[in-house]
Amino acid sequence: NAGVTQTPKFQVLKTGQSMTLQCAQDMNHEYMSWYRQDPGMGLRLIHYSVGAGITDQGEVPNGYNVSRSTTEDFPLRLLSAAPSQTSVYFCASSHLDQGWETQYFGPGTRLLVL
Amino acid sequence: GQNIDQPTEMTATEGAIVQINCTYQTSGFNGLFWYQQHAGEAPTFLSYNVLDGLEEKGRFSSFLSRSKGYSYLLLKELQMKDSASYLCAVRALPGSARQLTFGSGTQLTVLP
Repeated sequence: NAGVTQTPKFQVLKTGQSMTLQCAQDMNHEYMSWYRQDPGMGLRLIHYSVGAGITDQGEVPNGYNVSRSTTEDFPLRLLSAAPSQTSVYFCASSHLDQGWETQYFGPGTRLLVL
Repeated sequence: GQNIDQPTEMTATEGAIVQINCTYQTSGFNGLFWYQQHAGEAPTFLSYNVLDGLEEKGRFSSFLSRSKGYSYLLLKELQMKDSASYLCAVRALPGSARQLTFGSGTQLTVLP
């Protein structure tokens, strides 16, 4: 199993550009989520999904969209990038039985918005 | 609201014992979790406490006092590879991603 994979690893955007951060897992996990991690602020939940076709907002959803058309994939879309979205983004997944706390995290995407 | 406090940085010597504290004030409580995160890597789950007391797992132990809103992670026989950030997280209610709140992490540096 590859676990949770994320692409790209690094990305530089200009203000106003859009892009999609990819996330995939091959563990047949129902739960998937996106977090951003900023210095001194811990992990903050952006969006999450409890299964294919079901998504919901987390703590900081503004400026981001998600979809969950398959169990495996959970892409995060930045609609119009802003410097405030410079961060490290982590995707995570877990089994329904294991709960959100024992999530497997992907390696992260480091995003810089100029 | 949710508030989780942990020290920003700690330093300890290889072979020693270190205790990383976490205090929390949350609207509900259904478990406290510790994660380890090496620089440039993803967090990995370390431990879970939902009842008062000490949970031991090898060199790592985690303690919880619900009445005091307090937990600590105890690392024994420190090794250089233990240099990492340690994140405390509290679950206010079960079953919802929104109910898991992370602290900002404690950066532990282990010196030879």
